[in-house]
Amino acid sequence: RKEVEQDPGPFNVPEGATVAFNCTYSNSASQSFFWYRQDCRKEPKLLMSVYSSGNEDGRFTAQLNRASQYISLLIRDSKLSDSATYLCVVNDRGFKTIFGAGTRLFVKA
Amino acid sequence: ETGVTQSPTHLIKTRGQQVTLRCSSQSGHNTVSWYQQALGQGPQFIFQYYREEENGRGNFPPRFSGLQFPNYSSELNVNALELDDSALYLCASSPGQGWTGELFFGEGSRLTVL
Repeated sequence: RKEVEQDPGPFNVPEGATVAFNCTYSNSASQSFFWYRQDCRKEPKLLMSVYSSGNEDGRFTAQLNRASQYISLLIRDSKLSDSATYLCVVNDRGFKTIFGAGTRLFVKA
Repeated sequence: ETGVTQSPTHLIKTRGQQVTLRCSSQSGHNTVSWYQQALGQGPQFIFQYYREEENGRGNFPPRFSGLQFPNYSSELNVNALELDDSALYLCASSPGQGWTGELFFGEGSRLTVL
């Protein structure tokens, strides 16, 4: 079993749609959780951290369920500029940060 | 801009050759992690260096080795290159050992092995 697993996608959605990505992780001792965004042929960049209480940043909402070892990202009112790969990321006790394979999102006009 | 710089940005090697990739960490960061990202995959953890010592390693063979220098810059060396080593190699810096927050990536070195 992979340490971090994500929906492979791709997700093709029209502008204005709501889209949700899911992720599971295998190590129950994992300490911190993130979503990164990666544009084509660029480096990953932090989109948002994920907290047990859930957190929101504008059109983006992230949720963490530690009991189920499950992380989600919801994007509302999708924009063309949201087209990218979204990486689910888990930090394993500080010395290793583990990335999922990523979910590709295409937002079309 | 993260302040993490990598060189070279692109390079082409042939099977069996050796390659050295370089990374300068962000000011104030003493920990550097290296990742390999194959096409269509997420970044895979290679190893981490903290104060010039390897501080954790992923599932990569010994022909992947590294160094960290007193100024916290780092090198990734790959010997006996194989076709499957073709990938984007990413360096990320962080403020210290045990850091559980955001990683700051350089733009990567894209290696093609022919």
